[in-house]
Amino acid sequence: GIQVEQSPPDLILQEGANSTLRCNFSDSVNNLQWFHQNPWGQLINLFYIPSGTKQNGRLSATTVATERYSLLYISSSQTTDSGVYFCAVGGSSNTGKLIFGQGTTLQVKP
Amino acid sequence: DGGITQSPKYLFRKEGQNVTLSCEQNLNHDAMYWYRQDPGQGLRLIYYSQIVNDFQKGDIAEGYSVSREKKESFPLTVTSAQKNPTAFYLCASSIEPNMNEQFFGPGTRLTVL
Repeated sequence: GIQVEQSPPDLILQEGANSTLRCNFSDSVNNLQWFHQNPWGQLINLFYIPSGTKQNGRLSATTVATERYSLLYISSSQTTDSGVYFCAVGGSSNTGKLIFGQGTTLQVKP
Repeated sequence: DGGITQSPKYLFRKEGQNVTLSCEQNLNHDAMYWYRQDPGQGLRLIYYSQIVNDFQKGDIAEGYSVSREKKESFPLTVTSAQKNPTAFYLCASSIEPNMNEQFFGPGTRLTVL
């Protein structure tokens, strides 16, 4: 099955800094989503981005499907950005199953 | 409000008991999913349903059962056969099974005492 690797596993930033999170996947995908898991466990949808580039405020994401990676950019980080960021991909099978990476734990210090 | 609701938020179970976790959505989505998350890990798929009265096993279905009698409801039963049931359980839905964005409920934390 498809393997999903996220890097770095942990990241500590000072408030106001920028960061880039990476997601590599081992096969072609029909779906790629980025999530932020808050301290209560809720998964917040950030981007649905199987290919191309999208921006939403201070966050943006780029997926290069031919090279099998996606990047999540966080600019001018805030303490509320802290939490775990997951990349999840869906393969070519018609199940809708998402395969999750292990996540990147981000801590933003004031 | 449109969305996915899960109940209860916290659930405690004694060993040997079956428990049922509720998942309801009013988004008119065809596909629904159950995932399990263990501490420090990503999510893994337990069961999924692409349409009413149909469901399929995911990667870790052993010890779980589901039903899909109504479009808006997809309850998950954790049976006594599940060896390590203590985990965080998340339900999700999408308009259609493939190539569509999934949205998640707030989750249920199950602890076996």
